[in-house]
Formats: sequence, structure tokens, C-alpha cells
Amino acid sequence: KQEVTQIPAALSVPEGENLVLNCSFTDSAIYNLQWFRQDPGKGLTSLLLIQSSQREQTSGRLNASLDKSSGRSTLYIAASQPGDSATYLCALTGNQFYFGTGTSLTVIP
Amino acid sequence: GAVVSQHPSWVICKSGTSVKIECRSLDFQATTMFWYRQFPKQSLMLMATSNEGSKATYEQGVEKDKFLINHASLTLSTLTVTSAHPEDSSFYICSAPRDRVVTEAFFGQGTRLTVV
Repeated sequence: KQEVTQIPAALSVPEGENLVLNCSFTDSAIYNLQWFRQDPGKGLTSLLLIQSSQREQTSGRLNASLDKSSGRSTLYIAASQPGDSATYLCALTGNQFYFGTGTSLTVIP
Repeated sequence: GAVVSQHPSWVICKSGTSVKIECRSLDFQATTMFWYRQFPKQSLMLMATSNEGSKATYEQGVEKDKFLINHASLTLSTLTVTSAHPEDSSFYICSAPRDRVVTEAFFGQGTRLTVV
């Protein structure tokens, strides 16, 4: 069974800092990897989708990488802002979605 | 991008009553939809996979008689929490993949259920 782990579970950084969120998984037989943002009490907002054949995707200040051989993905956030404060979830798609445990990010003004 | 609409966004009900949550794919047909439950500060837990025209597939530990799922059309799946109790209070989210091979997830806005 696919297991997805995100480290750290919580992160607090000052505004302007660059940061990296990590996602590791046990089964490399995945289709795609997707990063989401979730604000408190809200649904999920898709940030980036990396297809299985790709190694990275970029959108604005966000960059996500995928290394299937090592079972890892990273989400890089450049020049963090208070509005980036949220929980970030990674999810892998196989025959269903497998969600990570999430990283709660707080960006301090 | 594809849109999945979930309704209601929040609901408060009395113990013993039933609550129905709807999940609609607005601009594509979804033969499969997923229902998740999320407890505070925890990740999403898959409850069941809803299949259009056939019975839903429930994850281990999820009571099928308590969480009734109906996928009556290619754009609508419903989750009914029957005889709700306070411990059923949670955040419920549906998602639908655009294609048969699950490659990308589109999520509803979620439903906050509070049972009093």
C-alpha cells in the first residue's frame, strides 16, 4: 500500500524566506503527483501537477520536483509571504489518490 | 480547469437525523468520484469510491450502512450520513478525476458537518 509522508509537519518562517517542503512515498508506480494548498476550514486548491514522465513544474514563486527513483517530491516556495500561510498537501495518483500528512506553514510578517 | 461543486458547504443537524451531501462535476462527466473525511489538523482519509451505475467501494473500517453513497448520473454523487451522531462531525470532501485513469484530482469545496 502506498504510504505518503510529509516533513516537516509544521514550519514557521519569517516573511521573505525561501523554503522547501518535502513529500516522500513508498511506491514509485504512480501516475502523477499533485501539490495542494488548504486554508483552515476550506477545500483544496491545486497548486501544481507533475505528470509521471516529468521531473518538475513551476508556477510563479512555486516550483515542484519529482524523483520517482528516490520516492521524493519537493515544493519550493520562493520569497514567502504571509498569504502563503496554509497547510500544504501532496497527493499521488495510482488507482486512487494517496494523500500526504500535510505541512502546516506559517509565514510571519 | 474542471470544476467540482459540493453542497452544502456547511450543515448543522440534530443527532439521529440524516444529512445528504452532493458532489457535482460541472463541466465534465465523472464515472468515479471519491469521498474523503478530514479530522482537524489531519490529512484526508479516503472513505469510499463512488462508481456511476454500480455500488460504491468502501475503505476498511467505513460503515457502508451509515455512509450511503449514490452515484446516479455521470455528474452527481451523493453521500448521506444516516442517523448522525456527534462523532460524525467532520469535514467531508469529494473529488472527481476527469478521466478513467486517475491522473489529476478536482476537489469540491468541502462540507463542514456538525452534529449536535
